[in-house]
Amino acid sequence: EVQLVESGGGLVQPGGSLRLSCAASGFTFSSYAMSWVRQAPGKGLEWVSAISGGGDSTYYADTVKGRFTISRDNSKNTLYLQMNSLRAEDTAVYYCAKSSTVTTPLKNWFDPWGQGTLVTVSS
Amino acid sequence: DIQMTQSPSSLSASVGDRVTITCRASQSISRYLNWYQQTPGKAPKLLIYAASSLQSGVPSRFSGSGSGTDFTLTISSLQPEDFATYYCQQSYSSPWTFGQGTKVEIK
Repeated sequence: EVQLVESGGGLVQPGGSLRLSCAASGFTFSSYAMSWVRQAPGKGLEWVSAISGGGDSTYYADTVKGRFTISRDNSKNTLYLQMNSLRAEDTAVYYCAKSSTVTTPLKNWFDPWGQGTLVTVSS
Repeated sequence: DIQMTQSPSSLSASVGDRVTITCRASQSISRYLNWYQQTPGKAPKLLIYAASSLQSGVPSRFSGSGSGTDFTLTISSLQPEDFATYYCQQSYSSPWTFGQGTKVEIK
């Protein structure tokens, strides 16, 4: 069974940093692109970042470019999101999601999703 | 960026009703359109991919259609477990964008 489990969320002050992790199991992790998608409280879904299966290609939404860094450790079957210079508007549940190809989420879909981890940016 | 607009934003329906949700893209996305279902406190779940392909394990009462800029998600006979929020998502180009969601509530 494919499983994705996020961790690392919490309360952080504006301007602070946080690193999220997503532990994957049940599939050949390095063979699939992965993404982070977030959902602010009571709001819709926003794609944040994606990384290819080999980790050589990364993609970012304009809202986080230059502040967030996506990475992966295929030896540990783990996806990461390093979040710096956090702002109140980054407050959200962050989901990791698997794509159906190795390269990018281009022309495919997100399935499955993890249960999410809540990041709250507040003083 | 490609904007995705869903209508309606919410609807009330009864068990057994036929429900249709529309998603419109700001430019042609061919058939690169996916539908997700989200219940409160849970992660989104893939229902339909590539406009009309039913994800494994998803009941056949769900169906999708459309191409270009206009797409629909249809639930043929609404069941109690279908009361949720539904999102469309385009995978034609980065950034991969979602519609604002359609909340299906009990009448």
